[in-house]
Amino acid sequence: EIVLTQSPATLSLSPGERATLSCRASQSVSSNLAWYQQKPGQAPRLLIYDTSNRATGIPARFSGSGSGTDFTLTISSLEPEDFAVYYCQQRDNWPPSFGGGTKVEIK
Amino acid sequence: EVQLVESGGGLVQPGGSLRLSCAASGFTFSSYEMNWVRQAPGKGLEWVSFISSSGSTIYYADSVKGRFTISRDNAKNSLYLQMNSLRAEDTAVYYCARELEPRHYYFDYWGQGTLVTVSS
Repeated sequence: EIVLTQSPATLSLSPGERATLSCRASQSVSSNLAWYQQKPGQAPRLLIYDTSNRATGIPARFSGSGSGTDFTLTISSLEPEDFAVYYCQQRDNWPPSFGGGTKVEIK
Repeated sequence: EVQLVESGGGLVQPGGSLRLSCAASGFTFSSYEMNWVRQAPGKGLEWVSFISSSGSTIYYADSVKGRFTISRDNAKNSLYLQMNSLRAEDTAVYYCARELEPRHYYFDYWGQGTLVTVSS
């Protein structure tokens, strides 16, 4: 099973700042990686799939990059509603698996 | 509007059983593959089970294999998870999740979740 390691565990930033979240896979997942956002008490929301494709309705300030084992989610300018936990997920190797999450909190 | 509404969670003793349901609306349920994903309190996400659109193909996580059974009723637009021999480590919020595209294993719509607590 592929292990996804997300860093940092917590990211403290101010609104308007740029957020860079990392996801590292224990072996190559090609470009088969997604990102989800989860707010307290809510279900996860799909943001990015296949490394860099934004899901329907996702603002352009969210972007994804990477390949193989190293991936990045970038939020170009944090809005108040972006403070949440973010998870990466791979589908390249069975079973699908998620990272442990990065919490983006208000500084 | 796509909606997924889970129900059936609750408190159950170790070794007990529960049946979760997920009612789907706002899309052609019979055309989509569906999954269950769970989240233990304060923890991350864990994929649990997959069922194809017709119900002919089913997969389980090793952690639940032999104890959980996924099924669907396309006539009722409903997804189910029968959970037997429950353990404390099965305590979690259980989400039903729709696949973005067939065999994509990305999840584009999720329900609000139902909490299962296994405790004596």
